[in-house]
Amino acid sequence: AQKVTQAQTEISVVEKEDVTLDCVYETRDTTYYLFWYKQPPSGELVFLIRRNSFDEQNEISGRYSWNFQKSTSSFNFTITASQVVDSAVYFCALSEARSSGNTGKLIFGQGTTLQVKP
Amino acid sequence: DTGVSQDPRHKITKRGQNVTFRCDPISEHNRLYWYRQTLGQGPEFLTYFQNEAQLEKSRLLSDRFSAERPKGSFSTLEIQRTEQGDSAMYLCASSLIMASGSVYNEQFFGPGTRLTVL
Repeated sequence: AQKVTQAQTEISVVEKEDVTLDCVYETRDTTYYLFWYKQPPSGELVFLIRRNSFDEQNEISGRYSWNFQKSTSSFNFTITASQVVDSAVYFCALSEARSSGNTGKLIFGQGTTLQVKP
Repeated sequence: DTGVSQDPRHKITKRGQNVTFRCDPISEHNRLYWYRQTLGQGPEFLTYFQNEAQLEKSRLLSDRFSAERPKGSFSTLEIQRTEQGDSAMYLCASSLIMASGSVYNEQFFGPGTRLTVL
């Protein structure tokens, strides 16, 4: 069965600290996609990144970086030099190919609330 | 048109009443998804459309729920005889699927409609 687990419910850091948000997924498909979304207090989910299961290259975008490891079924997200504006709920999500019948639907984790204090 | 819009943003209703929500996707997007998010949880898939065709409905979508996308543009989600358990944020998302491309393009989310059933 497909599942996404974000074990960290809440994380609190002080501005400029680095922080890593963990994401572990379960799937029987060999082709799947992983996503991270940010949900600020305003409520709208903001797309951050998409990775497919065949591309294990880590990615860096400014202060954001993602570490994808198929061997441990993990897709962790690191924010370097955190800022107050990074405070939000972050969701990891999985989209399967065959099992979902190519619907593209997203299976979300429970989210991690990040609070960055000044 | 800069993003997905949803109307209303908030809806308070009494148990047993019917409610209808509207979603306007990004204009060129052919896929439209509905999700439901309860407090402290990640969004859960409800249903999706490819153009005007509704292709899948989650088991979460009871007979009291109906969704339409009559012209392949905007969509409506109606809940009949609302119950207190229907209280949640209802999120709409859209994506563009090319005929020969991946179905796993990122989904762009609207701000959601927060439903409170008294």
